Amino acid sequence: AQKVTQAQTEISVVEKEDVTLDCVYETRDTTYYLFWYKQPPSGELVFLIRRNSFDEQNEISGRYSWNFQKSTSSFNFTITASQVVDSAVYFCALSDDAGGTSYGKLTFGQGTILTVHP
Amino acid sequence: EAGVAQSPRYKIIEKRQSVAFWCNPISGHATLYWYQQILGQGPKLLIQFQNNGVVDDSQLPKDRFSAERLKGVDSTLKIQPAKLEDSAVYLCASSLVSWGHAGEQYFGPGTRLTVT
Repeated sequence: AQKVTQAQTEISVVEKEDVTLDCVYETRDTTYYLFWYKQPPSGELVFLIRRNSFDEQNEISGRYSWNFQKSTSSFNFTITASQVVDSAVYFCALSDDAGGTSYGKLTFGQGTILTVHP
Repeated sequence: EAGVAQSPRYKIIEKRQSVAFWCNPISGHATLYWYQQILGQGPKLLIQFQNNGVVDDSQLPKDRFSAERLKGVDSTLKIQPAKLEDSAVYLCASSLVSWGHAGEQYFGPGTRLTVT
């Protein structure tokens, strides 16, 4: 069975601080996909990134960066120079390779509430 | 490009009543998902359609929940009769998924259900 753990329930930072959100996953699949979604107060889940299990290169997109380490089954998310607009709930999610009988079902973590204070 | 549409946005009902939610996915997305998100938790998959066929409904409480996706486009999720523990946000998502390639899922705004 697949499992995603986000151990940090809530994080509070002051604007311009860097913050890292942790994600640890469990799966028996050799091919899988990892995702991060943002859920602002409006409630709609916004896709941020997808990585497959064969691509361990770190990725940077503006102030966002992701560190994928298969050796520790972690896919951590860092926001550099945080802003008030980054305040939201962030979810890490895992899916299989969409083969077999499952077409990319997502297993979500519990989420991390990030509050950025001005 | 239009996103995933859901209605209604909010619904308040009494326990034992019935309720239905509607979802229209992004055009061309063959895969449609319904998730239940209880306050303070991550979304949990209820049912997944590929075109108009059910791929996964293992976590759907079939004694009270039902869903259909006629003609492989929009979908309806029904609860009958509702219980207090059904209070949650019901999220619809769609995706371009092909065999062996899990695409990102795009979510609608959700329907917030309160059962009193």
